Amino acid sequence: GAVVSQHPSWVICKSGTSVKIECRSLDFQATTMFWYRQFPKQSLMLMATSNEGSKATYEQGVEKDKFLINHASLTLSTLTVTSAHPEDSSFYICSAPDPGASGYTFGSGTRLTVV
Amino acid sequence: GENVEQHPSTLSVQEGDSAVIKCTYSDSASNYFPWYKQELGKRPQLIIDIRSNVGEKKDQRIAVTLNKTAKHFSLHITETQPEDSAVYFCAASRGSAGNMLTFGGGTRLMVKP
Repeated sequence: GAVVSQHPSWVICKSGTSVKIECRSLDFQATTMFWYRQFPKQSLMLMATSNEGSKATYEQGVEKDKFLINHASLTLSTLTVTSAHPEDSSFYICSAPDPGASGYTFGSGTRLTVV
Repeated sequence: GENVEQHPSTLSVQEGDSAVIKCTYSDSASNYFPWYKQELGKRPQLIIDIRSNVGEKKDQRIAVTLNKTAKHFSLHITETQPEDSAVYFCAASRGSAGNMLTFGGGTRLMVKP
């Protein structure tokens, strides 16, 4: 099936710095990428939907100036957490529609810890 | 938007027993209902899915039922094994092409040997 490669798998950063998370579709073109956030012992909550070549759509309550999403090509979508704070510490995971299986494929997730 | 409710939040069963997890959804336009198993710190792993043109689907020890009228669907695991212990999420979508998945709150399943 389709594969989405997500990097880094974990990152520790200082409060106030920015962190970029990348998701690459390896064997298909992802025109849409969904970005989810998962706090410990909670469910996956959609943060935003990125579409290649256009602005991302953010869910209510998600700050678009803090969580910058770029989907400049059909194989790469990035999420940048700007001016990270400890409350941004979470598991971030991307997902794209799987063109072959008519479902969704997920990246492996990024564990962000802000200290 | 879509709202997916999942129950129970925790479920403890004895090895060999059956486990049932139930979900309800609100958007009548949803037509794709996957179930995921998630290990700690890992990506969700699809274990079974069902579409709205089908009422039931089975894959070995796992089955899913869908009641479109009542807007609920359920996961059934028979002959549970300790390795089934994990967090399970239901989800709903209007179909994968450009449509997001909305997840239920999750069920922590513990299978006691």
